[in-house]
Amino acid sequence: DTAVSQTPKYLVTQMGNDKSIKCEQNLGHDTMYWYKQDSKKFLKIMFSYNNKELIINETVPNRFSPKSPDKAHLNLHINSLELGDSAVYFCASSQTRGEQFFGPGTRLTVL
Amino acid sequence: GENVEQHPSTLSVQEGDSAVIKCTYSDSASNYFPWYKQELGKRPQLIIDIRSNVGEKKDQRIAVTLNKTAKHFSLHITETQPEDSAVYFCAASMAYNTDKLIFGTGTRLQVFP
Repeated sequence: DTAVSQTPKYLVTQMGNDKSIKCEQNLGHDTMYWYKQDSKKFLKIMFSYNNKELIINETVPNRFSPKSPDKAHLNLHINSLELGDSAVYFCASSQTRGEQFFGPGTRLTVL
Repeated sequence: GENVEQHPSTLSVQEGDSAVIKCTYSDSASNYFPWYKQELGKRPQLIIDIRSNVGEKKDQRIAVTLNKTAKHFSLHITETQPEDSAVYFCAASMAYNTDKLIFGTGTRLQVFP
């Protein structure tokens, strides 16, 4: 059983397009996260939600908008994609103050 | 600002040798320090973690030590094996939100047979 899943695994798109990445966890966790890992492998938190409430909102362009329809799902919508948005995006989940489990990642390439 | 420094950025060892990776954090109130292993093309996975109320924790060939006074923590891998080859990340939690992890810049470990 997949604990944290993301779709799609790969996403190739043109500059200016809008795209979404979906994440689901079946661990019963109450907190979910989005991380960005750039080409140098730096791993940086973008957002976190706890029971559908936005908790962490880092300095991220407002073209990025997370949405949590329920505590098992956290989606990331990106408007007007730019070259610099190319990266691997990881979803993660945890119980509060617990181990964070990462999804398999979505490799986004903006052409 | 919030910062976690990690050294070295690359580390090559012979199979069977030990490997040590060191991290320094800036927020003296940080209280949770996980270590993640990321194999090529895979997700980061937790290998060991330590909380600020203990100084050392061991799990088979892996150990982590924490020096709160110096704001240092280290990962020690003994009897390294080729399958230990990966990128290792340290992280520290923020005091005002322990679910917010600040990651180090990663160490690429290569274990040669």
